[in-house]
Amino acid sequence: NAGVMQNPRHLVRRRGQEARLRCSPMKGHSHVYWYRQLPEEGLKFMVYLQKENIIDESGMPKERFSAEFPKEGPSILRIQQVVRGDSAAYFCASSPNRDITNYGYTFGSGTRLTVV
Amino acid sequence: SQQGEEDPQALSIQEGENATMNCSYKTSINNLQWYRQNSGRGLVHLILIRSNEREKHSGRLRVTLDTSKKSSSLLITASRAADTASYFCATDAWGAQKLVFGQGTRLTINP
Repeated sequence: NAGVMQNPRHLVRRRGQEARLRCSPMKGHSHVYWYRQLPEEGLKFMVYLQKENIIDESGMPKERFSAEFPKEGPSILRIQQVVRGDSAAYFCASSPNRDITNYGYTFGSGTRLTVV
Repeated sequence: SQQGEEDPQALSIQEGENATMNCSYKTSINNLQWYRQNSGRGLVHLILIRSNEREKHSGRLRVTLDTSKKSSSLLITASRAADTASYFCATDAWGAQKLVFGQGTRLTINP
């Protein structure tokens, strides 16, 4: 079991470009969560998805950010027209079902986005 | 906001000593979790304590939870250089399906 796989590990984009971050959950996990970590801070929840459904996007900025988790393939976090303030580490976590009361989340190693 | 707060923000101790980190939160929770993050890496789940539990052990880790004070502590006994990392508490409210993280404690173990 390869765990939660995120790619790329590092991504550099110029202001105004698009950033696409990918997350493949653990085998058998159908729930995916995205978090953002600014330097020297804790993680902030962005969005929770199940296959083909967005369950909770209360942490997503209203503009330029979108997320999807298609029936086939990885979950994608898309940031359009990136700005310097988008520079952060973006982490994905997965779980097998809604009941996470008996175990913690499994996090990927993250994608570090740098906007220049 | 259910944002947790951790104390201290940074802690530096000698190898072999015990390290204690504290976490406070604001609202009712389902469970509280502790994670470790090595510099530039992802988060590793350490231990989960449910709201109806008061203490839990895992190896050199001991976690306590006081729901009346809305606080938790993580104790690492007999610290090792490899324990150097940032430690985060995260709370999970009933039905919320999302974690709220504290700012973290940066722990440095000096050889």
